[in-house]
Amino acid sequence: GNSVTQMEGPVTLSEEAFLTINCTYTATGYPSLFWYVQYPGEGLQLLLKATKADDKGSNKGFEATYRKETTSFHLEKGSVQVSDSAVYFCALSDSAGDDKIIFGKGTRLHILP
Amino acid sequence: GAVVSQHPSWVICKSGTSVKIECRSLDFQATTMFWYRQFPKQSLMLMATSNEGSKATYEQGVEKDKFLINHASLTLSTLTVTSAHPEDSSFYICSVRTGGLFEQYFGPGTRLTVT
Repeated sequence: GNSVTQMEGPVTLSEEAFLTINCTYTATGYPSLFWYVQYPGEGLQLLLKATKADDKGSNKGFEATYRKETTSFHLEKGSVQVSDSAVYFCALSDSAGDDKIIFGKGTRLHILP
Repeated sequence: GAVVSQHPSWVICKSGTSVKIECRSLDFQATTMFWYRQFPKQSLMLMATSNEGSKATYEQGVEKDKFLINHASLTLSTLTVTSAHPEDSSFYICSVRTGGLFEQYFGPGTRLTVT
């Protein structure tokens, strides 16, 4: 079945450091891929998405590229800020179009000032 | 996007009792809501799809008689955990679908602890 694997946290970085959170997936068909972010005390928010191979999703300085050959969708940011501290979830939806989203376990990110 | 609230944010109940969790769409009339469960350091697992005016659709392995879902209006869905046991302790999250595949908005979650 479909699944998502992302690096375990917590990840602790200093402000302005480069961030990579790895995500790989297993899926039949052609899934769409997402990154969600959950700030403390808030609900999950869609951060970015990519719907087909080689698409790059981007938002708020974060980027992720849909790599079909490596079944990956790694999240990157060139210079993190304290306000980026949150839990990040990689996710996919299968091609059945039934709105079901499969989530990774989440990676907690701490940014130190 | 839609603003989604959940109540309560945290609840403690005794084993054998039932507890109701509310999910409200504050600014959008939602025909479809989703209920997820999250164990510590685990993924969000979809439990069921809640459809306004009809029976919920449960995922495989989820006991529909234990997790009662009622989507009585376009702005409210409730999840009732019946005869709760300590293994039901978890973080329950709802989401609202406002349109296409990508348009899901999540509530802040409810932490249930069963003693």
